Amino acid sequence: AQSVAQPEDQVNVAEGNPLTVKCTYSVSGNPYLFWYVQYPNRGLQFLLKYITGDNLVKGSYGFEAEFNKSQTSFHLKKPSALVSDSALYFCAVREAGNTPLVFGKGTRLSVIA
Amino acid sequence: EAQVTQNPRYLITVTGKKLTVTCSQNMNHEYMSWYRQDPGLGLRQIYYSMNVEVTDKGDVPEGYKVSRKEKRNFPLILESPSPNQTSLYFCASSLGPINQPQHFGDGTRLSIL
Repeated sequence: AQSVAQPEDQVNVAEGNPLTVKCTYSVSGNPYLFWYVQYPNRGLQFLLKYITGDNLVKGSYGFEAEFNKSQTSFHLKKPSALVSDSALYFCAVREAGNTPLVFGKGTRLSVIA
Repeated sequence: EAQVTQNPRYLITVTGKKLTVTCSQNMNHEYMSWYRQDPGLGLRQIYYSMNVEVTDKGDVPEGYKVSRKEKRNFPLILESPSPNQTSLYFCASSLGPINQPQHFGDGTRLSIL
């Protein structure tokens, strides 16, 4: 069965610095990978996805993620963090076929001015 | 505006009193899903539906029921709620189940006393 791990519960970064939120996954076949963001009192919002093709995926709000098959990772990155990026970030994975979308436990990002 | 609407947003009730959380989407999506979010556990899928009259269990279906009589609606039913169902619930929809991003409602916070 597929699984996803977000090894950091919390990431703190200064405004203007680059940020990375880590995600590793485990699947038996080819993965479909997603990043979502959750702001307080709101549902999750889609940021970006990797299905196939270029390993560097660009998404909303200046975020990007790099798919690394050998390390089974899909880390979320942004070159210059904003205070407004402070939120809860979820990585999710599914395999082809009738399989559920499995979410990580989430990483809380705090960007400090 | 494309959206997933959940009602109620907040509910405090007592053990054993049947309740229904409604979910409606206006995007003509075929795939709909219910999740619960608990601290430290991320999101876990309760039930999902591939289309009208087609529903299936997710990872944590015990104590819940769903129905999909119309494409736009996917209510979550708790026939006899118990305190361990106190949680934050999200409904989501997407064009398809595999590689399409999900659109989430803003959540329903249930407290079962």
